[in-house]
Amino acid sequence: EADIYQTPRYLVIGTGKKITLECSQTMGHDKMYWYQQDPGMELHLIHYSYGVNSTEKGDLSSESTVSRIRTEHFPLTLESARPSHTSQYLCASSGQAYEQYFGPGTRLTVT
Amino acid sequence: DQQVKQNSPSLSVQEGRISILNCDYTNSMFDYFLWYKKYPAEGPTFLISISSIKDKNEDGRFTVFLNKSAKHLSLHIVPSQPGDSAVYFCAGYSGGSNYKLTFGKGTLLTVNP
Repeated sequence: EADIYQTPRYLVIGTGKKITLECSQTMGHDKMYWYQQDPGMELHLIHYSYGVNSTEKGDLSSESTVSRIRTEHFPLTLESARPSHTSQYLCASSGQAYEQYFGPGTRLTVT
Repeated sequence: DQQVKQNSPSLSVQEGRISILNCDYTNSMFDYFLWYKKYPAEGPTFLISISSIKDKNEDGRFTVFLNKSAKHLSLHIVPSQPGDSAVYFCAGYSGGSNYKLTFGKGTLLTVNP
């Protein structure tokens, strides 16, 4: 069973606020990912990391930033939330194999 | 350009019958294909995968078939159960992609009792 956690599960916040979405995994995976998904659409990769102090931008441009100071932790930050950031944010991790294991997601609504 | 396409947004089947979910791809460099299942308000769960050098992989009620010449794969669920109702995503993995997966838009499967 994959052990990857995301908090909060749901967040409603006003425009202009700074937010941090948390993601932690206990599997010791070196690779971690952030995806953004809207209903009826594919998952879009917005950030990924190969290990501590490694971060890369994904295929979909995003105003968010990430950090990887510890292997198990990969938080995503939005400095100033806007209604266009409303979406579901999914965190995933993978080890030596190609399968990625996903957390439960954070549903973000910016009003 | 979408590299992985799931052209059926939804599929409805009766309990006990076969569900067939389809996926087409354009990237010949994919080494593996994966299927994920997603319930509302939850993250995707890995179901089954297939190597590009295989044409079939089976795991319990789930079988994935790969037709490389047609660049097409399908997921068969037999027998379908109401608990299988979810969105199913097809994804491709290329070893040269820096461990990234490319997802389709998903197909919503509804299994009616």
